[in-house]
Amino acid sequence: DGGITQSPKYLFRKEGQNVTLSCEQNLNHDAMYWYRQDPGQGLRLIYYSQIVNDFQKGDIAEGYSVSREKKESFPLTVTSAQKNPTAFYLCASSIDLPQGISYGYTFGSGTRLTVV
Amino acid sequence: DAKTTQPTSMDCAEGRAANLPCNHSTISGNEYVYWYRQIHSQGPQYIIHGLKNNETNEMASLIITEDRKSSTLILPHATLRDTAVYYCIVEGSQGNLIFGKGTKLSVKP
Repeated sequence: DGGITQSPKYLFRKEGQNVTLSCEQNLNHDAMYWYRQDPGQGLRLIYYSQIVNDFQKGDIAEGYSVSREKKESFPLTVTSAQKNPTAFYLCASSIDLPQGISYGYTFGSGTRLTVV
Repeated sequence: DAKTTQPTSMDCAEGRAANLPCNHSTISGNEYVYWYRQIHSQGPQYIIHGLKNNETNEMASLIITEDRKSSTLILPHATLRDTAVYYCIVEGSQGNLIFGKGTKLSVKP
């Protein structure tokens, strides 16, 4: 079955460490996204990529980095510069129709990152 | 970017219709309205989307007003498993979806 896979489901990080969250999709979607969700809040966009080898900053990109070397993969690195990284991280992908209209997003099941 | 306004929370009796309203008064003519829901600690799930006409699928119906400034998601026969946060979303200027805080729907027995 096609889908989008995030790993790990839970991740613990010591202060000062960089960690990388994995996101893989086999839906042949062009666009991929990373969101952050804090308790009781909506989703905030960190980075997105509409094509391989290209990505753009979202609303809260500081302290994060991404790469898009393959269409299927969009890993997110939470760097030590991110001062409050404890949150639920969601990856999504989407396909654009020829008219340029997105058909909505498919989300992964998320990674819960905790700084210890 | 167009924004949406939703009530913070709503209750619904099991078996009854749940009607979730959304205001999107600044929506542009070619922007779709999307509805997603998120059950606790899971990724959001796509429900339905529409542009001008009312839409229906196996999960829900979407009613969009003629002026497109508001819409209503209808779950015709709510069950306990429909308890979730429901997001009404329009696209941002860069084509990405902008999520607000949504409506927390509690379906009660």
